[in-house]
Amino acid sequence: DAKTTQPPSMDCAEGRAANLPCNHSTISGNEYVYWYRQIHSQGPQYIIHGLKNNETNEMASLIITEDRKSSTLILPHATLRDTAVYYCIVLKTSYDKVIFGPGTSLSVIP
Amino acid sequence: GAVVSQHPSRVICKSGTSVKIECRSLDFQATTMFWYRQFPKKSLMLMATSNEGSKATYEQGVEKDKFLINHASLTLSTLTVTSAHPEDSSFYICSARPRTGSSMGYTFGSGTRLTVV
Repeated sequence: DAKTTQPPSMDCAEGRAANLPCNHSTISGNEYVYWYRQIHSQGPQYIIHGLKNNETNEMASLIITEDRKSSTLILPHATLRDTAVYYCIVLKTSYDKVIFGPGTSLSVIP
Repeated sequence: GAVVSQHPSRVICKSGTSVKIECRSLDFQATTMFWYRQFPKKSLMLMATSNEGSKATYEQGVEKDKFLINHASLTLSTLTVTSAHPEDSSFYICSARPRTGSSMGYTFGSGTRLTVV
């Protein structure tokens, strides 16, 4: 699976959009981009995934660049409860084992 | 949605004893479950892949005789930390995925915090 690179930490003001970037320059054509997050002392939570089209669900939006070498997870109106570590992971299929990198620690500030 | 229950949520045990952690898929069947451990301020580290009806597959560096995994049914996997020592104190997390009908990836349990004293 392709390796991903994320900034170690980010801050976001409450109520504003949080834009979390992820680089995956070695991604293959059949690999998906998955996003999970882990709130402190809890298990990770699935957020969203995509192949090449932009995706949106009730939690977030995922924007994948046309060359698929990077993506951005958007939390449209961040709340304090969105403070967590966010992980961007590339998988060939949803059956692949999930290997976590260091992720991005997002702090939502009042 | 898919729910994974992990029990206990926290446990304290004496050094030298064994501790069993359960991971159950509540509303789906899972042929594969994964076990992770996480140290403070660190990312999750995959320990092993638990396969229903067969032996677990351990990641490099994980002692299979110390971390016994049993996946006897499609809804239950157990991790037993044998002869626990203080350095085994950690946050243990399992994950599972429905056999069919979901592309959402894995659902994770809420974790077990093990403290060995």
